[in-house]
Amino acid sequence: AQKITQTQPGMFVQEKEAVTLDCTYDTSDPSYGLFWYKQPSSGEMIFLIYQGSYDQQNATEGRYSLNFQKARKSANLVISASQLGDSAMYFCAMRGTSTGNQFYFGTGTSLTVIP
Amino acid sequence: DAGVIQSPRHEVTEMGQEVTLRCKPISGHDYLFWYRQTMMRGLELLIYFNNNVPIDDSGMPEDRFSAKMPNASFSTLKIQPSEPRDSAVYFCASCQPGQGVCYGYTFGSGTRLTVV
Repeated sequence: AQKITQTQPGMFVQEKEAVTLDCTYDTSDPSYGLFWYKQPSSGEMIFLIYQGSYDQQNATEGRYSLNFQKARKSANLVISASQLGDSAMYFCAMRGTSTGNQFYFGTGTSLTVIP
Repeated sequence: DAGVIQSPRHEVTEMGQEVTLRCKPISGHDYLFWYRQTMMRGLELLIYFNNNVPIDDSGMPEDRFSAKMPNASFSTLKIQPSEPRDSAVYFCASCQPGQGVCYGYTFGSGTRLTVV
């Protein structure tokens, strides 16, 4: 079974500062993918970043980076130089090989950027 | 590409009525997923299709829910009869796998359903 855990229901960060959103996962699959999505107040789900379990380097996409620690089963999202527009819900998700292309989502973290 | 298109954006209906939610995936995407989002349960997978064939419907809450994908460009999620506890945001998502693996979903804008 796949399980995604996000333990931070809410986070605050000062504008222009960096913030880390935590995500841990549990799976017995040897190969899996980890994802982060952003959901602003308008409701849409926006894909941010992907990390494969066999990728040697941490994924980066602009101001987003994924701090992947395989042994600890963590996939934390780091947002650098926070902007007001980063205020949103952030969801961590996982896809395992045993479950086809089904994604499992965490409960989300609400991020508020303070001016 | 217009992305994943869902309709309607908002639906308010009375308990007991039939509700049909619609989704047009991105052209060429082989997989289509229906998710439900509530505050209490978060994002739950209801059902997904591969090449128009339902693969896993174990997340469908009960017989009142049904989903179809008659062709590669259209899917429906039907609730009959609807109940207040069905109130949620329903998302459709699609993906085009590379070597059988989806590296990210594209979500539609969602349908906010309110059953009164």
